[in-house]
Amino acid sequence: ETGVTQTPRHLVMGMTNKKSLKCEQHLGHNAMYWYKQSAKKPLELMFVYSLEERVENNSVPSRFSPECPNSSHLFLHLHTLQPEDSALYLCASSQGRTGTRSNEKLFFGSGTQLSVL
Amino acid sequence: AQKITQTQPGMFVQEKEAVTLDCTYDTSDPSYGLFWYKQPSSGEMIFLIYQGSYDQQNATEGRYSLNFQKARKSANLVISASQLGDSAMYFCATLTDKLIFGTGTRLQVFP
Repeated sequence: ETGVTQTPRHLVMGMTNKKSLKCEQHLGHNAMYWYKQSAKKPLELMFVYSLEERVENNSVPSRFSPECPNSSHLFLHLHTLQPEDSALYLCASSQGRTGTRSNEKLFFGSGTQLSVL
Repeated sequence: AQKITQTQPGMFVQEKEAVTLDCTYDTSDPSYGLFWYKQPSSGEMIFLIYQGSYDQQNATEGRYSLNFQKARKSANLVISASQLGDSAMYFCATLTDKLIFGTGTRLQVFP
């Protein structure tokens, strides 16, 4: 079993749908992250959770709503998305939160490829 | 503010040859980390190598080495003895209070 598991791997949704992305880490880490990867653009940090508390929200539209019920699980709830939200959404975890140490290594899942029609 | 630049959108290398992927960065923070990640077609970002800003020696991890030139603010990745399985996207990243990624380089290894 890989360290960080994301489901589903692929998701196609209409603009009026509500869906959720799930991430689970089996590494005993304390911090979890959502990143968005669009074609030909750098990865964009969306949300950071440390010990289940949201510590960063990088001006992400409210149609993206994160949830971290415990240190092993992270969700991204999607509602009334736009076609430009189509991207690969990557979840990551780390032992501590980035910003506390400069050698904090992130472990990533395989991502959810989201297409919004 | 942090900035990281990868100027090579794509690179080709023959199997068993060495290849260098370029990365330059800019940060005003004296303490920072530099990372390289590999992203195969499966999507997962795989950690390859780390260099700390105060490390005196260049980092090495198996066939991967990081050519760290602090004064020039460059952190190039060298892959020795390329293998077909090395074909992937490669991302350079810098960490101060946030982990910031470059736009990536697509490496293709041919027989």
